[in-house]
Amino acid sequence: SQQGEEDPQALSIQEGENATMNCSYKTSINNLQWYRQNSGRGLVHLILIRSNEREKHSGRLRVTLDTSKKSSSLLITASRAADTASYFCATDGSNTGKLIFGQGTTLQVKP
Amino acid sequence: DAGVIQSPRHEVTEMGQEVTLRCKPISGHNSLFWYRQTMMRGLELLIYFNNNVPIDDSGMPEDRFSAKMPNASFSTLKIQPSEPRDSAVYFCASSLGGGEKQYFGPGTRLTVT
Repeated sequence: SQQGEEDPQALSIQEGENATMNCSYKTSINNLQWYRQNSGRGLVHLILIRSNEREKHSGRLRVTLDTSKKSSSLLITASRAADTASYFCATDGSNTGKLIFGQGTTLQVKP
Repeated sequence: DAGVIQSPRHEVTEMGQEVTLRCKPISGHNSLFWYRQTMMRGLELLIYFNNNVPIDDSGMPEDRFSAKMPNASFSTLKIQPSEPRDSAVYFCASSLGGGEKQYFGPGTRLTVT
């Protein structure tokens, strides 16, 4: 079963614009992770945010976590064509590494 | 570091045949995970190991699926006999431990005809 639900399922923007993706989950978590997957490739880890953290930055990425609403968002600022990919949130409820992935958001950045 | 290595990258086989997928995790990583990705079901965790010991295999779909990790640098996922509905991309991932980020291999695209 899927823990995370991502919104929107697909997003198309122009280069230079910001992209925001949202993830909602159902049960308590220890951490939440975001991954990127380029077409035909494996997943690449972007950022991990722990349940006691509210916001985290990494380069052009900003992740927020609201445990009271059981939701997270990923913001990509000043998007580039190379950011075109699918983005997945994954929740770890037991700190065992057992991740449950959402269905993903497909992002297209038009040059 | 070469990252997580999976072989083969592509496998085409006929229904009823045995399929073995292989994975070499990143050296020093204690946890290893097998996932399956399909359009219909998304990315599903099949099984994971910690220090070579299977911890949770609740995601393994049927008895036709089995996984082993004989040592810290090698794991296999076997399907016997294979069926067309097993067609998917199978990913192996490793991490330093529970609660840490995972490093994914490039995947094995399995097609069962």
